[in-house]
Amino acid sequence: KAGVTQTPRYLIKTRGQQVTLSCSPISGHRSVSWYQQTPGQGLQFLFEYFSETQRNKGNFPGRFSGRQFSNSRSEMNVSTLELGDSALYLCASSLGVTMNTEAFFGQGTRLTVV
Amino acid sequence: QKEVEQNSGPLSVPEGAIASLNCTYSDRGSQSFFWYRQYSGKSPELIMSIYSNGDKEDGRFTAQLNKASQYVSLLIRDSQPSDSATYLCAVNKAGSGTYKYIFGTGTRLKVLA
Repeated sequence: KAGVTQTPRYLIKTRGQQVTLSCSPISGHRSVSWYQQTPGQGLQFLFEYFSETQRNKGNFPGRFSGRQFSNSRSEMNVSTLELGDSALYLCASSLGVTMNTEAFFGQGTRLTVV
Repeated sequence: QKEVEQNSGPLSVPEGAIASLNCTYSDRGSQSFFWYRQYSGKSPELIMSIYSNGDKEDGRFTAQLNKASQYVSLLIRDSQPSDSATYLCAVNKAGSGTYKYIFGTGTRLKVLA
């Protein structure tokens, strides 16, 4: 069974640019959550999608957005990049049907903003 | 107060010893609890999930949950150098049928050979 796939693995962008990251969940999983991980802040929740609907959103500015497609694949977009957006972006896939649902992470996309 | 708190460590234990990792959470309505292991430069890997008070064992790992005290712990028996990693506690925050995993900042474990 294939795991969670994130692309690309590494990105270098310039301040002011925008970036799109992709996440393909485990087959059959309908929930995709996105997290930002930095050394100082740890794992911070960005948003969660289930069946193409955003169910939950963290405390990030509107420059961070996402969407989910009918095949459960998800993308997140960051516009007008800032130096502080440099981080490891992780997506997690789960069935998302009940509270007792385990989430599995992809390998992450490491974004560097210069 | 942070929603999920962990001691950042490092927690150093000798090879073969029991490592005890602790986590407290603030939302009394939380129902699902998870432990992840994260090696440096890698993504978190799920080790254990626990939903009911008491102990849950899986190989060398035991998760313990005490909802009255809002406390979750992870015991690693016969610790090996390969267990050296950061251990993240996560809580599935209750509310309105939505699912939002809140993570602690992790405890760094060092197993000394």
